[in-house]
Amino acid sequence: QTVVTQEPSLTVSPGGTVTLTCASSTGAVTSGYYPNWFQQKPGQAPRALFYSATNKHSWTPARFSGSLLGGKAALTLSGVQPEDEAEYYCLLYYGGDWVFGGGTKLTVL
Amino acid sequence: QVQLVQSGTEVKKPGASVKVSCKASGYIFSSSGISWVRQAPGHGLEWMGWINVHNGHTNYPQRFQGRVTVTTDTSTSTAYMDLRSLRSDDTAVYYCARDYNYNVDFWGQGTLVIVSS
Repeated sequence: QTVVTQEPSLTVSPGGTVTLTCASSTGAVTSGYYPNWFQQKPGQAPRALFYSATNKHSWTPARFSGSLLGGKAALTLSGVQPEDEAEYYCLLYYGGDWVFGGGTKLTVL
Repeated sequence: QVQLVQSGTEVKKPGASVKVSCKASGYIFSSSGISWVRQAPGHGLEWMGWINVHNGHTNYPQRFQGRVTVTTDTSTSTAYMDLRSLRSDDTAVYYCARDYNYNVDFWGQGTLVIVSS
């Protein structure tokens, strides 16, 4: 069974920079896994941030960036704001199936 | 603007079935796929299946095969997710999402399904 792994939790100070990662149990994450990233706040539906690793949506704040880094998909937040506190999920494509990571709870403190 | 509007809360008994609807607007319905995702209370997101609206081709993860069916009605731009043989651990919020060229972008508001005797 394929497992997608994210950091369970991270803490960052306001104005700081943090990188969330997304790893696959099958090996290095490449562009062929079409990584998607989502932000979810309590009681809300997920909101899409990135697709195909680096492509941001028109509503994605400029302080967010997506990349492939060291065999993983990565989401970097620079100049973190209090409103960035949320759960973040990655989603990877496995030739027909999508698999979500377990999510990263980002605390801004 | 793209919108996906889902049906309301459902309460079902174990062993029953539930059918959740997802009405799309603001884009050409047949040009994209629809994925279904669920989230149990206090848990993460779980992908349940996908349909290519244009040709009706579906794909389901192994753990849901035989229990989930995803369909569409192109005349009303509505997608449906049918889950059978409900158990208490199927209690969750169920989401539909537009799935276009490996880009899962717009999501429905979610439908709470409660399975309880």
